[in-house]
Amino acid sequence: EAQVTQNPRYLITVTGKKLTVTCSQNMNHEYMSWYRQDPGLGLRQIYYSMNVEVTDKGDVPEGYKVSRKEKRNFPLILESPSPNQTSLYFCASSRAFDYGYTFGSGTRLTVV
Amino acid sequence: DAKTTQPNSMESNEEEPVHLPCNHSTISGTDYIHWYRQLPSQGPEYVIHGLTSNVNNRMASLAIAEDRKSSTLILHRATLRDAAVYYCILRNFGNEKLTFGTGTRLTIIP
Repeated sequence: EAQVTQNPRYLITVTGKKLTVTCSQNMNHEYMSWYRQDPGLGLRQIYYSMNVEVTDKGDVPEGYKVSRKEKRNFPLILESPSPNQTSLYFCASSRAFDYGYTFGSGTRLTVV
Repeated sequence: DAKTTQPNSMESNEEEPVHLPCNHSTISGTDYIHWYRQLPSQGPEYVIHGLTSNVNNRMASLAIAEDRKSSTLILHRATLRDAAVYYCILRNFGNEKLTFGTGTRLTIIP
């Protein structure tokens, strides 16, 4: 089944403890992207990647890192999480700019 | 970055057509208009996209104004399962910096 897989689905962590949210797609898509969703603020883009080793900032990149060492994976790294990064995170992938994005099921992160 | 404007919320009766508007007055000639929806407790789902001509697929239709400064997503016969937040975004080759905004929350009345 064609899908975008995020792990974990739920995560509670403490301030300052580095964490990684994994994202993997099995559709050989070129484009991948990370979003966070907060009440009243909608979906905001964190980082995106248009190909292997090519990443760029979205609207809210502060406090996050990403890497794209291979086409299928696009992990989101929080080096020193803070409570304001408590949010629902979505990873997405797309074949090309004139195709739609496929989204993962989301990762609910709580930083205490 | 090109932005879109949508109403915060809309209501429609079940089994009737729904027209969801989107304004994108700063659209460029190479921007594609994409629509997504997000059902409760789920990730966003692609609905439809177009460039200049109207588009139809199994989920919906997309009507694009002649000047491309606005578009309308049409659900031909709304069901309760269509209750969701609908997002209109612009997407351009070479620019994957996408702005979803807060979308339109569609409520379907039985």
